[in-house]
Amino acid sequence: SYVLTQPPAVSVAPGQTARITCGGDHIGSSSVHWYQQKPGQAPVLVVYDDSVRPSGIPERFSGSNSGNTATLTISRVEAGDEADYHCQVWDSVSDHPWVFGGGTKLTVL
Amino acid sequence: QEQLEQSGAEVKKPGASVKISCKASGNTVTDYYVHWVRQAPGQGLEWMGVTFPGSGTTTYAPKFQGRVTMTTDTSTSTVYMELSSLRSEDAAIYYCARPGVGPTAFAYWGQGTLVSVSS
Repeated sequence: SYVLTQPPAVSVAPGQTARITCGGDHIGSSSVHWYQQKPGQAPVLVVYDDSVRPSGIPERFSGSNSGNTATLTISRVEAGDEADYHCQVWDSVSDHPWVFGGGTKLTVL
Repeated sequence: QEQLEQSGAEVKKPGASVKISCKASGNTVTDYYVHWVRQAPGQGLEWMGVTFPGSGTTTYAPKFQGRVTMTTDTSTSTVYMELSSLRSEDAAIYYCARPGVGPTAFAYWGQGTLVSVSS
């Protein structure tokens, strides 16, 4: 099945920009979704279809997708952004169509 | 407001089965797909399968084929996920989730159900 690769951890100082990557073979031809998960909570969708923010998600969250890498960018990082972030795609030709990356722990220094 | 309310924590012995419920409110459960996703301690998210309550159609991830069953009671808008032949590595938080802003992203999630497997 399709494999998505995320860095285990990313660290950033408050006010700076965090970039979390999600690698996959020709991922640029798929729609990528991103979830934020805080400890003890269910995931929350923060970006879908590569770059669309659901209602209520701050403009500081943005996404891009091209080639073999999708990226979630968090601008002006705040302490409350510290969480795990998971990417996900739908692989229409697979017998395991919904695929998640391994998750990235974002630490705000 | 769409909500998915899951049943409480379970403790099971190896070899047993567990059946978790996910009750939908706010919309007709037969109108959309319901997925199940699990997360082992300290691990990432793992998709288990999907059901369409309107028809009873199911698709299971190959890893769980033969051990998982997803069903729906439309009279109570409740979807069930049963996992059999439990082993220690099935200890995880199990979530139900459904699309809401497109067919392939999970916009709504249940609160999760912790399943412990121990002899």
